[in-house]
Amino acid sequence: ILNVEQSPQSLHVQEGDSTNFTCSFPSSNFYALHWYRWETAKSPEALFVMTLNGDEKKKGRISATLNTKEGYSYLYIKGSQPEDSATYLCAFWTGNQFYFGTGTSLTVIP
Amino acid sequence: DSGVTQTPKHLITATGQRVTLRCSPRSGDLSVYWYQQSLDQGLQFLIHYYNGEERAKGNILERFSAQQFPDLHSELNLSSLELGDSALYFCASSVWGLTDTQYFGPGTRLTVL
Repeated sequence: ILNVEQSPQSLHVQEGDSTNFTCSFPSSNFYALHWYRWETAKSPEALFVMTLNGDEKKKGRISATLNTKEGYSYLYIKGSQPEDSATYLCAFWTGNQFYFGTGTSLTVIP
Repeated sequence: DSGVTQTPKHLITATGQRVTLRCSPRSGDLSVYWYQQSLDQGLQFLIHYYNGEERAKGNILERFSAQQFPDLHSELNLSSLELGDSALYFCASSVWGLTDTQYFGPGTRLTVL
């Protein structure tokens, strides 16, 4: 079983703050990294799928970067809003197995 | 609404029983994935089917099996149920494979008493 680690485990920020969190994964056997946004009592919602070293993706105020050589991805949220409050989950695909991190729980305080 | 449907929404059954969970992917998606989310563990990948064929297997117990039918819907069969099988079971679909965006269904909540 591979270890996919996310930090921090939880985060409280003020509305308007920018924030970022980390997903760390083994640098070998990399195939793809997925980021999800998961609100309580809902299903995970895909944010990004990243496959290439150096990949940068953006969706509105949320962006992500990928470093496959050192085994990490960053997710950034610019100008956090209360509706950004959710758990952000990353998942690492090795080619034949899919491993999830335990998530970063973000609370944006109005 | 992701376009992925799962039935039933809730299922309550007894230990030792067998249940079938159903998933219909988004129109045009060839891949279906099954995941389990139990209280003490995070989201776990169970199995991936592409166009009717099994493509990847995760931590799926031998008591569990799945298949994807010619119309691309999928079923997850859970047998000899134990209390620990109580969980939320998600299905997701994507156009091709695991480098594509996955769209999750609403989940089936299974309670084993």
